[in-house]
Amino acid sequence: KAGVTQTPRYLIKTRGQQVTLSCSPISGHRSVSWYQQTPGQGLQFLFEYFSETQRNKGNFPGRFSGRQFSNSRSEMNVSTLELGDSALYLCASSPWDRGHGYTFGSGTRLTVV
Amino acid sequence: DAKTTQPNSMESNEEEPVHLPCNHSTISGTDYIHWYRQLPSQGPEYVIHGLTSNVNNRMASLAIAEDRKSSTLILHRATLRDAAVYYCILEISVGAGNMLTFGGGTRLMVKP
Repeated sequence: KAGVTQTPRYLIKTRGQQVTLSCSPISGHRSVSWYQQTPGQGLQFLFEYFSETQRNKGNFPGRFSGRQFSNSRSEMNVSTLELGDSALYLCASSPWDRGHGYTFGSGTRLTVV
Repeated sequence: DAKTTQPNSMESNEEEPVHLPCNHSTISGTDYIHWYRQLPSQGPEYVIHGLTSNVNNRMASLAIAEDRKSSTLILHRATLRDAAVYYCILEISVGAGNMLTFGGGTRLMVKP
């Protein structure tokens, strides 16, 4: 079966711009979560969506937002980009509630210049 | 937040077993223990997970201490393809949902 698809794979943006990243989970998976990975901070939780509802959010500023559509596809948006937003953004999907393995996408590498 | 502590790096010889330790002394009763591994420029790959009992799958075994404050990932016969960063992670309940809390990971090097 198809894995988790994240688009685009690479992105270069200028400070102050905004960006939208997309994630298509495994068919049938209803939970989608987003993580930011940087060399300094490691992997940090951004937010989780389940059945189109944001269930929780990590400790990130309001510039980071997301949504989930009825087909479980999810997008995350970062507005007013800062240099420190440069990172690998990872999306993970899981079938439903806790206690199941997560499947990660290959990520979107965002570079802010 | 619950967190995990792992050695920064470990080395193993090919074809030998590898035991990767993890401490999670602040784990709560409903937190699941997950292990993932990551290669450069790829997303983390699921290895195994469990709650209280030891678990086995085709990739590895997970041994969980009786008090659940530590666990060990066991690769039975390391191959060169097992060289990666291994993350010991807690899946915790937050608000109405769940999240994975990552530690720093262990970089496993496998020598031929």
